[in-house]
Amino acid sequence: DTAVSQTPKYLVTQMGNDKSIKCEQNLGHDTMYWYKQDSKKFLKIMFSYNNKELIINETVPNRFSPKSPDKAHLNLHINSLELGDSAVYFCASSQVVTVQETQYFGPGTRLLVL
Amino acid sequence: SQKIEQNSEALNIQEGKTATLTCNYTNYSPAYLQWYRQDPGRGPVFLLLIRENEKEKRKERLKVTFDTTLKQSLFHITASQPADSATYLCALGNTGTASKLTFGTGTRLQVTL
Repeated sequence: DTAVSQTPKYLVTQMGNDKSIKCEQNLGHDTMYWYKQDSKKFLKIMFSYNNKELIINETVPNRFSPKSPDKAHLNLHINSLELGDSAVYFCASSQVVTVQETQYFGPGTRLLVL
Repeated sequence: SQKIEQNSEALNIQEGKTATLTCNYTNYSPAYLQWYRQDPGRGPVFLLLIRENEKEKRKERLKVTFDTTLKQSLFHITASQPADSATYLCALGNTGTASKLTFGTGTRLQVTL
């Protein structure tokens, strides 16, 4: 059983297009995240949702809009795609408790903007 | 600004030896530090967590130390095997709903026969 799943695995698209990436977790966690990993393998948080509420919003262009229809899902919609958006996008989830916040990552979505 | 540094160059070691990876940080007072393993084409996988009041944590062949004075964590893999070859990421975090993990850039470990 896949704990954190993402679709699609690969996404190749033209500049200016709008695309969405979907994420689902079956771990019963209350917090979900989107990360971007660039070509230098640097993993940087973009957004975090706790119980469907946005709690972390790093300095991400407003072309990126996350949506959490329920605790188990966090989708990422990207408008007007740019070349610099090419990266691997990871979804993750965790159960926020006092000290331990182990995050479980999905397999990643490889986005290539041409 | 917060900075987390890991050796950017790959670490090459021989099978059976102990691999030691370093994570240094500045301008940060984390409540805990985590180590993740990432294989090519896959998401990071959690390995170990160590809290600010802990000096050392072990799990099978893995050992992590955490020195909040030096602002450094060391990650050791004893009796390393080729299957340990991967990129290892350290991540620092704090508690609370709005807390987040801040990741280092990772160190690639290559274990050869």
